[in-house]
Amino acid sequence: DAGITQSPRHKVTETGTPVTLRCHQTENHRYMYWYRQDPGHGLRLIHYSYGVKDTDKGEVSDGYSVSRSKTEDFLLTLESATSSQTSVYFCAISESSPVGNEQYFGPGTRLTVT
Amino acid sequence: GESVGLHLPTLSVQEGDNSIINCAYSNSASDYFIWYKQESGKGPQFIIDIRSNMDKRQGQRVTVLLNKTVKHLSLQIAATQPGDSAVYFCAENGSSNTGKLIFGQGTTLQVKP
Repeated sequence: DAGITQSPRHKVTETGTPVTLRCHQTENHRYMYWYRQDPGHGLRLIHYSYGVKDTDKGEVSDGYSVSRSKTEDFLLTLESATSSQTSVYFCAISESSPVGNEQYFGPGTRLTVT
Repeated sequence: GESVGLHLPTLSVQEGDNSIINCAYSNSASDYFIWYKQESGKGPQFIIDIRSNMDKRQGQRVTVLLNKTVKHLSLQIAATQPGDSAVYFCAENGSSNTGKLIFGQGTTLQVKP
């Protein structure tokens, strides 16, 4: 998985609780991304980062926030989890942009909100 | 709007046959395309990419074809093996210059022994 780890790998939480997912890379890549994957929707971008402290929204950012204080770590926070946020979350990294920007994915975090 | 789609949700092939997975895209500004393979319980794995200044690119047992006239992308897998069974996604960069990718829904490839 190209030097990408995600933690936790599985989590069950209750509606209304805060949740933070962590993505850690050892590749020193500049770009990092958070996606969610749901049946019938494929992979959808939540937020991405183009450098330390530089982040921007993706297509499904409502209810999520991110932070990147170090090159190697990109955190995804659900401030108050809802059942609609039950999903598999993938982190991805990319060395360069805009063209030739293949993204490498982590193993994923399966989140269940009850 | 921007969209990437696949013609068939499931493709079943006999082991040893060639597989062709198709993808349609709608954004004519896209100039970079990628194919990913995702096995059950794992993250997507990069297979091959192609830039819009190319029509064809070959890798090991895989070939990607790009037809910009009809906005069509295909992935050909030669001598399909059981290990090729997975979901395959195409992705495009759209009009973004930030590295964002737009993914298709995915095609499931089933290889029959």
